[in-house]
Order: sequence, then C-alpha cells, then structure tokens
Amino acid sequence: ETGVTQTPRHLVMGMTNKKSLKCEQHLGHNAMYWYKQSAKKPLELMFVYSLEERVENNSVPSRFSPECPNSSHLFLHLHTLQPEDSALYLCASSLRDTSYEQYFGPGTRLTVT
Amino acid sequence: AQSVTQPDIHITVSEGASLELRCNYSYGATPYLFWYVQSPGQGLQLLLKYFSGDTLVQGIKGFEAEFKRSQSSFNLRKPSVHWSDAAEYFCARGHTDKLIFGTGTRLQVFP
Repeated sequence: ETGVTQTPRHLVMGMTNKKSLKCEQHLGHNAMYWYKQSAKKPLELMFVYSLEERVENNSVPSRFSPECPNSSHLFLHLHTLQPEDSALYLCASSLRDTSYEQYFGPGTRLTVT
Repeated sequence: AQSVTQPDIHITVSEGASLELRCNYSYGATPYLFWYVQSPGQGLQLLLKYFSGDTLVQGIKGFEAEFKRSQSSFNLRKPSVHWSDAAEYFCARGHTDKLIFGTGTRLQVFP
C-alpha cells in the first residue's frame, strides 16, 4: 500500500451505535489530520496530531474521539452521532515541519440514520 | 481573517477547450498555495503547489497555475481539457500550521 489509506470507505450507522474510522499513512510522515467534508461547505479541520500528540481540536463535539497510537495510524471513534454528522471524513498526513503540504486519503463516507 | 475564495461554484467546458479556474487569497504575505482535485467519491489529490520562485508552476495531469501577487490570485489553467478532468477543484493556502481551503469549483466537461 502506498500513500494514505482509509477504512471503511462507506459506513452507515444508527445514532446509538459505536464505530471507528481508521487511517494509515505509508509516507513516513509524522503529523496526521481529520477533516469533515459536508456538501456545500469548505473542508473543516477537526483534529491535528503532531508526533502522536493532539495539537488541535477545533471545537469538535465529544461524540468524536480521535486516537493516534503511532505516527502511521489515526483513528476516529464515533458514538451517539447525529444525522448532521453525515459527511465525508478525510484523513491527511504531512511532515510536521511542512504541515501545510498535506496528502489525503480517499475518505470514509459516513451516513448516520 | 485568512481566506481563500473560489468565485466560480460550477464551470462547464467542452472537451478540448481551455480551462481557467480562479482562486483569490486574502492577506499579503507570500503564501504557500495549493490546488487539489477531488474526483467523485475520492479524497483530495495534490495537483500542484507554489512556495516561492517562478510564479508559473507546473503540476500533474497537464495543469499549471500562476501566482500573481498584485492580484492576490493563483489561477489554475489547462490548455485542453479531457473528459476525465471532470471533478471538483479546491484551492488552498498554507497558514502557520494548517491549510485553509476554498469552497471548491465543480468542473463539468461536455464531449
């Protein structure tokens, strides 16, 4: 595998479910990001991890819980989501020192019913 | 506030025609500028980037972009569009430790 991979690619979950999104990067990067992409809105940065430490949380509701166990893996744990959380969730990675040059995964299309 | 503006929400061109997608950024310091493309159901792919130096940058898939400081613009161009170029295009600028994205321009290509 090369680049940034995300699983699953599609996820349908009920509002009471608990699920996790997974991201893996094979680029030797040391910073990782979660973005939310909703229709007709700019990409929203959710979380930033640098050297496995969370360095940014953009006022994201606590029903989204990120985890970065090492520099290659990033998870987004989901619980008791709302229908408005349905979106494409994109993972990206970069080198810490060039954090504006990010490489994206294909995304997970999440539908909350 | 830092911002990136893509004035055109939707553009339609014929295959083989030339293309220019507009992007304007706020704030005067030399920015780091990027163009990404997103095909349906896919993530964002980096087309090209500008950090400094030559203001005309070449990217993948035959795209180029020109940085014009006087106009605060970084427009994306392609001399001859292919049907496979139909996608959404995002301009972005780097600011401190993050990327700021425009709202995107959807490109439709007619045969």
